Amino acid sequence: SAVISQKPSRDICQRGTSLTIQCQVDSQVTMMFWYRQQPGQSLTLIATANQGSEATYESGFVIDKFPISRPNLTFSTLTVSNMSPEDSSIYLCSVPHTTGDNSRQYFGPGTRLTVT
Amino acid sequence: DQQVKQNSPSLSVQEGRISILNCDYTNSMFDYFLWYKKYPAEGPTFLISISSIKDKNEDGRFTVFLNKSAKHLSLHIVPSQPGDSAVYFCAASSGGSNYKLTFGKGTLLTVNP
Repeated sequence: SAVISQKPSRDICQRGTSLTIQCQVDSQVTMMFWYRQQPGQSLTLIATANQGSEATYESGFVIDKFPISRPNLTFSTLTVSNMSPEDSSIYLCSVPHTTGDNSRQYFGPGTRLTVT
Repeated sequence: DQQVKQNSPSLSVQEGRISILNCDYTNSMFDYFLWYKKYPAEGPTFLISISSIKDKNEDGRFTVFLNKSAKHLSLHIVPSQPGDSAVYFCAASSGGSNYKLTFGKGTLLTVNP
């Protein structure tokens, strides 16, 4: 199994500022995913981060708001830019299962973001 | 429009009894379904899955049933244990984009000793 860590685990930020969330995996993976879980809502895929190429964003999410870096096969960052209270969520990264079943994903512990 | 729905926000059962968690979906393109379990302050962990070519998959105390005509799946936990207390998410994916998981909102299961 993959072990995933995220930093920070939680943060409280002022509106208009930006926060960068780090995701570290203990093995090399091609695909990494970023999800958001707003209060009382389901997990929603933000984007897929592939090493060496631009991230692929899902409908409703744009690069200017959620820029993603993927400098190597074990690390990725997600930045939440120009934050508003609506960005208050848990942000999670995940990677596919080692068997190659991309639906079976290992998730990090999440970053709980509160925007005031 | 929610494509995966878990209509029960919470469920409480006694230890040793059966827990049944339900999930409905609307997208006919979904062909793979999964259940994830989440403890507080942790990320979701994969529990069990089922392909649309099957109607049942069993793994120990956990069984998932799929009724394609009704677009309904359920997770049975028998016997339920206090350590099963967690939020359970139903998720679905389709075809070549199988990494794109669509999640339900989750059901909080509480197993009482």
